[in-house]
Amino acid sequence: AQTVTQSQPEMSVQEAETVTLSCTYDTSESDYYLFWYKQPPSRQMILVIRQEAYKQQNATENRFSVNFQKAAKSFSLKISDSQLGDAAMYFCAYRSYEKSSGDKLTFGTGTRLAVRP
Amino acid sequence: EPEVTQTPSHQVTQMGQEVILRCVPISNHLYFYWYRQILGQKVEFLVSFYNNEISEKSEIFDDQFSVERPDGSNFTLKIRSTKLEDSAMYFCASSAGQTINKNIQYFGAGTRLSVL
Repeated sequence: AQTVTQSQPEMSVQEAETVTLSCTYDTSESDYYLFWYKQPPSRQMILVIRQEAYKQQNATENRFSVNFQKAAKSFSLKISDSQLGDAAMYFCAYRSYEKSSGDKLTFGTGTRLAVRP
Repeated sequence: EPEVTQTPSHQVTQMGQEVILRCVPISNHLYFYWYRQILGQKVEFLVSFYNNEISEKSEIFDDQFSVERPDGSNFTLKIRSTKLEDSAMYFCASSAGQTINKNIQYFGAGTRLSVL
């Protein structure tokens, strides 16, 4: 079974600065997807960024980028030029590529990000 | 932008009572999911549903749980006889398909279930 670990329960960043959230995972599969979801207070989780494991290039979405290290099974999220609206709980998630493994997401415990004005 | 809608936002019930949590997935989506998060713990997969049947379920999803898509728009989770340990936030999600561009799961804001 796959596991996802987020070792930082809480992080804080100054507005306009850069912050990196850590995520590691354990799997025996070679193909899979990794996701970062953001959950603002009392709102739904929204997808921030996605990475396919077979792609060597790190995914980027505007101010959000990942550092995907497949051999190390590490998938960190970097938020550049942090804004007050980035304050939220961030979840790292794993999904198998194989149909036989189903399409469920396996989540980490989350990192709560605070942005200081 | 289309959203997954969940009602109610908070449900309080007595132990042993039946509850139904409701979700309206995004209209053209075909795959539906329920997850739950006990306070302070991970978000855990409960069940996935496609083509009017369960495609996968976790160990948590025992005989007390059932899902239904009664009318082509709603997707419900029923807990037959609630236990204290069922207290959690329940999230509904939907996705358009299984291919790379369609397999993103979109989540609702959740229903907080409190079992007293």
